[in-house]
Amino acid sequence: DAKTTQPPSMDCAEGRAANLPCNHSTISGNEYVYWYRQIHSQGPQYIIHGLKNNETNEMASLIITEDRKSSTLILPHATLRDTAVYYCIVTGSGTYKYIFGTGTRLKVLA
Amino acid sequence: SQTIHQWPATLVQPVGSPLSLECTVEGTSNPNLYWYRQAAGRGLQLLFYSVGIGQISSEVPQNLSASRPQDRQFILSSKKLLLSDSGFYLCAWTPGGTGGSYEQYFGPGTRLTVT
Repeated sequence: DAKTTQPPSMDCAEGRAANLPCNHSTISGNEYVYWYRQIHSQGPQYIIHGLKNNETNEMASLIITEDRKSSTLILPHATLRDTAVYYCIVTGSGTYKYIFGTGTRLKVLA
Repeated sequence: SQTIHQWPATLVQPVGSPLSLECTVEGTSNPNLYWYRQAAGRGLQLLFYSVGIGQISSEVPQNLSASRPQDRQFILSSKKLLLSDSGFYLCAWTPGGTGGSYEQYFGPGTRLTVT
C-alpha cells in the first residue's frame, strides 16, 4: 500500500501558484519524498525530491514540514500544460520499491 | 544520456493469447528495472522489479511473469491473457546500487487491450 495520502483532485487558475499537499505521517528517517506527474497517456515524469530540507528546481518547489509528516509541492505559476496527475511517494535507501498511490488530478483553468 | 524504450506502443490481443512486452535501457549499466500497470483511470500498480540479471521480485501474484535476460532488458510475459490484464504498462529504471535514493525514469508505455 502507498504510504502517502493526497486529495483526489484540485483546480488552479492559470498563472496562480498551485499548492499540492501530501500526507506521509509514517515516514521513516531515511525515506525521501518524491513527486512525479503524469500527463495523459504518458509515463510519469520526475519533478523533485527531498529528505528534510525544502528544495527548489526549475519546475517546482518542495516544502517539507519540520516533523516530515507532510509536504507540499508548489508550482509557482501554473500553466495549462501543468494539467496532470501528481503523485507523491515515499521511499528509502533500504528498499527498491516505489509505491505509487492514486495521486492528485490537477486541472489548471484558463 | 540514458534512454528507455518500450514496444509495442499499442497492442490488441484476444483473451487466452500470450503476451510479450519488451523494455530496454540505453546509456547506463546495471540499472534497477521495474514494470508497472495502470488500469483505466487508476494509479500505478507495481508488478515486478529487478536489481540484476535473472533477479526478479514479484509484487502482485497473477498470471504475469517477468524476466531479465540481459543487463538492460526487461520482459513482461503472460501465457494466457485475461480481460483484466488490459491497461497501460510502464517500464521504469533507476541507477543500480542501493534503491530508493534515486528518481525513476519511465518509458513511453504500452497500451494493451484484451478483447
